[in-house]
Amino acid sequence: QVQLQESGPGLVTPSETLSLTCTVSGGSISNYYWTWIRQPPGKELEYIGYVFHSGSTNYNPSLESRVTMSLDMSKNQFSLRLTSVTAADTAVYYCARGGVGGHDRGSLDYWGQGTLVTVSS
Amino acid sequence: DIQMTQSPSALSASVGDRVIISCRASQSINRYLNWYQQKPGEAPNLLIHAASTLQSGVPSRFSGSGSATDYTLTISSLQPEDFATYYCEQSYSTPFTFGPGTKVDIK
Repeated sequence: QVQLQESGPGLVTPSETLSLTCTVSGGSISNYYWTWIRQPPGKELEYIGYVFHSGSTNYNPSLESRVTMSLDMSKNQFSLRLTSVTAADTAVYYCARGGVGGHDRGSLDYWGQGTLVTVSS
Repeated sequence: DIQMTQSPSALSASVGDRVIISCRASQSINRYLNWYQQKPGEAPNLLIHAASTLQSGVPSRFSGSGSATDYTLTISSLQPEDFATYYCEQSYSTPFTFGPGTKVDIK
């Protein structure tokens, strides 16, 4: 059974960088699209982007200038960095697994439990 | 970006009711439409992908249909564990986008 677990600071200072890691267990990080989604409290889901096992990435244009995703095959982990954060970046951040390709990239079949990141001084 | 809308935004229903949730895309998404269920404090759970393909392990009372811009999620007989918020998502083009959700609660 594939499991994903987010880790990282729960509190980030405005203008600083948010960094999260997702550890994948029960399966290989190869051949899937590893995705970050966020959900501000009481609001809807927002796609942040994905990183493929080859290292290629796709980011939401609304966040593209501030986002970097990467993966570490040796640790079966992938990561999110979001720079210059503001209160608007306060959200539950989820990591998830997308399909093997094509339009299945966006079918997210395994999710982490989510981690609340609050941006505040 | 493709905009997704859902209707209704909320509904009240009883156990055993048939429930239908609608989702509309701002352009044709060629059945690349996924449905998720989210319960409070939990991550979303994939129910249906490619408009009508039931995800493994999901009860058969859930079904999906539609084409082009209009899609529906049907729960044939609502069960107590189905009270949740349901989201549609298009995976036709990036950035993938979600609908605003439909909250199903107890009448």
